[in-house]
Amino acid sequence: DIQLTQSPSFLSASVGDRVTITCRASQGISSYLAWYQQKPGKAPKLLIYTASTLQSGVPSRFSGSGSGTEFTLTISSLQPEDFATYYCQQLNSYPFTFGGGTKVEIK
Amino acid sequence: EVQLVESGGGLVQPGGSLRLSCAASGFTFSSYWMNWVRQAPGKGLEWVANIKQDGSEKYYVDSVKGRFTISRDNAKNSLYLQMNSLRAEDTAVYYCARDGGEATDCWGQGTLVTVSS
Repeated sequence: DIQLTQSPSFLSASVGDRVTITCRASQGISSYLAWYQQKPGKAPKLLIYTASTLQSGVPSRFSGSGSGTEFTLTISSLQPEDFATYYCQQLNSYPFTFGGGTKVEIK
Repeated sequence: EVQLVESGGGLVQPGGSLRLSCAASGFTFSSYWMNWVRQAPGKGLEWVANIKQDGSEKYYVDSVKGRFTISRDNAKNSLYLQMNSLRAEDTAVYYCARDGGEATDCWGQGTLVTVSS
């Protein structure tokens, strides 16, 4: 199985900060990576797919990059509604594993 | 509007069975792969299984193989997860989710399954 390691697992930041989350795959997954945002008690929401394509309706402050084994999710200017947990998921091969999550909290 | 509504969760004893259902609306259900994803209390997401549009291909995470069965009824726009031989570690919120081709693009609100004596 492909393992996804997210870092950091916890991040404290202020409104307006630039935030970067990393997702590393245990083997190459081309660009078959997605990013999700989850708020407490809610279902995950798709932000980015194929590593860098912004899902319709998602603000442009979110961006993704990378290919192969290393990927990043960047929030260019953190907004109050962005405080949540973020997950990466690989869709290169079964099982479609998720990273352990990165919780972004208010500093 | 795309909607996925899960049902069938509840409290079950270890070794017991439960059948989850997911009612889909707002899109052509028969055109999409569909997934089940779960989340144990306070933990991360775990992909459980998925099924092809016509039901001819199914894939599972190793931890549920031989115990869980995913199925669908395109005439009823419904997805199912039959869960047998349940264990405490299967306790989780189970989400029904649509595969948009490149990612899981729509999720239901989830249904809680608790396995406990």
